[in-house]
Amino acid sequence: EAQVTQNPRYLITVTGKKLTVTCSQNMNHEYMSWYRQDPGLGLRQIYYSMNVEVTDKGDVPEGYKVSRKEKRNFPLILESPSPNQTSLYFCASGWGGSYEQYFGPGTRLTVT
Amino acid sequence: GQQVMQIPQYQHVQEGEDFTTYCNSSTTLSNIQWYKQRPGGHPVFLIQLVKSGEVKKQKRLTFQFGEAKKNSSLHITATQTTDVGTYFCAGRGSGGSNYKLTFGKGTLLTVNP
Repeated sequence: EAQVTQNPRYLITVTGKKLTVTCSQNMNHEYMSWYRQDPGLGLRQIYYSMNVEVTDKGDVPEGYKVSRKEKRNFPLILESPSPNQTSLYFCASGWGGSYEQYFGPGTRLTVT
Repeated sequence: GQQVMQIPQYQHVQEGEDFTTYCNSSTTLSNIQWYKQRPGGHPVFLIQLVKSGEVKKQKRLTFQFGEAKKNSSLHITATQTTDVGTYFCAGRGSGGSNYKLTFGKGTLLTVNP
């Protein structure tokens, strides 16, 4: 089954404790992206990647890192999480930058 | 930077009524996509519009892309309870290799049976 998977689905952590949210897709998509969704603010793009080793900033990259060492994986790294990073995070993938995106199920992160 | 405004933020209708959500971009778009997110779910792709003035239909849903490629709309005819959810437009800037996708804030549609 074609899908985008994210882990963990739910995470409660404390300020400053480094964490990684994994994202994996099995559709051989070149394009992958991370979004955060907050009430009243909609979906905002954090980072995106056009291919292996090619990443670029979205609209809200501060406080986040990404890497794309393999085509199927695009982890999101929070080196020192803060409470304002409490949000619902979605990973998405697509055939290219101008094609439809397939979203993962989401990761709900709470930073206390 | 590119901004995509979407109105209304909320819309409550009686089942059978029509519904429209509008999207306006501060810059010309190369294409616009529409997504639907059910409560508690993830966004699901509905359609992409690329050409100026393009109109596409999916059963009761009609999507339009403006002549200037700066605005778009989604119209649902005779809403059903299964239409409940948040509808997002997402625009991609024109020119160069702009792969950044900017989403509108979405319109939450609720339908009273």
